[in-house]
Amino acid sequence: AQRVTQPEKLLSVFKGAPVELKCNYSYSGSPELFWYVQYSRQRLQLLLRHISRESIKGFTADLNKGETSFHLKKPFAQEEDSAMYYCALRRIGNTGKLIFGQGTTLQVKP
Amino acid sequence: EPEVTQTPSHQVTQMGQEVILRCVPISNHLYFYWYRQILGQKVEFLVSFYNNEISEKSEIFDDQFSVERPDGSNFTLKIRSTKLEDSAMYFCASINRVGDTEAFFGQGTRLTVV
Repeated sequence: AQRVTQPEKLLSVFKGAPVELKCNYSYSGSPELFWYVQYSRQRLQLLLRHISRESIKGFTADLNKGETSFHLKKPFAQEEDSAMYYCALRRIGNTGKLIFGQGTTLQVKP
Repeated sequence: EPEVTQTPSHQVTQMGQEVILRCVPISNHLYFYWYRQILGQKVEFLVSFYNNEISEKSEIFDDQFSVERPDGSNFTLKIRSTKLEDSAMYFCASINRVGDTEAFFGQGTRLTVV
């Protein structure tokens, strides 16, 4: 079965501190992994995709197939990073449906 | 920038009533989805729709649910006889093609069944 696990419901850090939001997945094939972000009262929007290997707003995520993880990292958190973060999985060549983790609320304190 | 638009933003309905949630996907997109999020829980896939038919549906998407693309622009989710447990945030999403990596989401409709 495909599953995405985000073990932390809430992660609270001070501004300038490093951030790591954990994501583990369970899938037998080759998945596509994504991070979506939802700022207060806004829609879900794509933050990162593992295929592109890019850094967005200072965030990076590396797919580790051995550990089946796709953790989201940022070396120095900013207050504007406070939001809900969802890790999601999609099967390659599938209907395009996304399987989401439970989400982690990141709270960056001043 | 084009957006997926959902109406209404909030719908309150009595148990047993039918509701229709509306979505206008991005105009050149071909694949459409409904997801829901019960308060405090994860975002769950309901159904995917392509070429005027359902391509995949979840266990949640039972006979009480239906989807339609009546006029080539709107994409609707109908719940025939709402139950209290249907109360949730419902998100519509669309993508241009399956290989396209970004799904665009609407802002959601909060459905409250009383």
